[in-house]
Amino acid sequence: DGGITQSPKYLFRKEGQNVTLSCEQNLNHDAMYWYRQDPGQGLRLIYYSQIVNDFQKGDIAEGYSVSREKKESFPLTVTSAQKNPTAFYLCASSTLGADTQYFGPGTRLTVL
Amino acid sequence: GIQVEQSPPDLILQEGANSTLRCNFSDSVNNLQWFHQNPWGQLINLFYIPSGTKQNGRLSATTVATERYSLLYISSSQTTDSGVYFCAVENTGFQKLVFGTGTRLLVSP
Repeated sequence: DGGITQSPKYLFRKEGQNVTLSCEQNLNHDAMYWYRQDPGQGLRLIYYSQIVNDFQKGDIAEGYSVSREKKESFPLTVTSAQKNPTAFYLCASSTLGADTQYFGPGTRLTVL
Repeated sequence: GIQVEQSPPDLILQEGANSTLRCNFSDSVNNLQWFHQNPWGQLINLFYIPSGTKQNGRLSATTVATERYSLLYISSSQTTDSGVYFCAVENTGFQKLVFGTGTRLLVSP
């Protein structure tokens, strides 16, 4: 089946640790996105990528890093510089110039 | 940047009732999408509707671009309609969507 997968579903991290969230898609989409959602809030864009080996910062990129070495994969690293990382993280993809974005099931990150 | 406001913030309905959700935005847009987020967090795209009217089963949406608002209509609501409905817009030429804070809908049996 075509779709977007994110892993893990739940992730616990100690303060000061970096963690990497996985996002994989088999939809052959060129563009991929990472969003952060806080309780009771909408989604905010962290990073996006239109093509392999290229990505741009979104509205809240500080404390995060990404890579795009393969078309299918867009992992997000939450670094220790992110002061308030506890949140729900959603990955999405789309074709270039597309009408719609398709979302993965999300990863819920909790910092202990 | 563009601002997106959704109303009402919360809505409780009895099964079978109809409802209207509103999205106001502060600038002209190239892209407007409505999403439903289920209680487990999954977002599903409902409509791409930067202007005009569309219908899909019990759901329909209308965007009046000149007046900078969009409406999502839910008819004969069902308990499975519960969740959060988001409006998202974009006006930068690429899909850098800006989301509203959502309308949380609870449909009771």
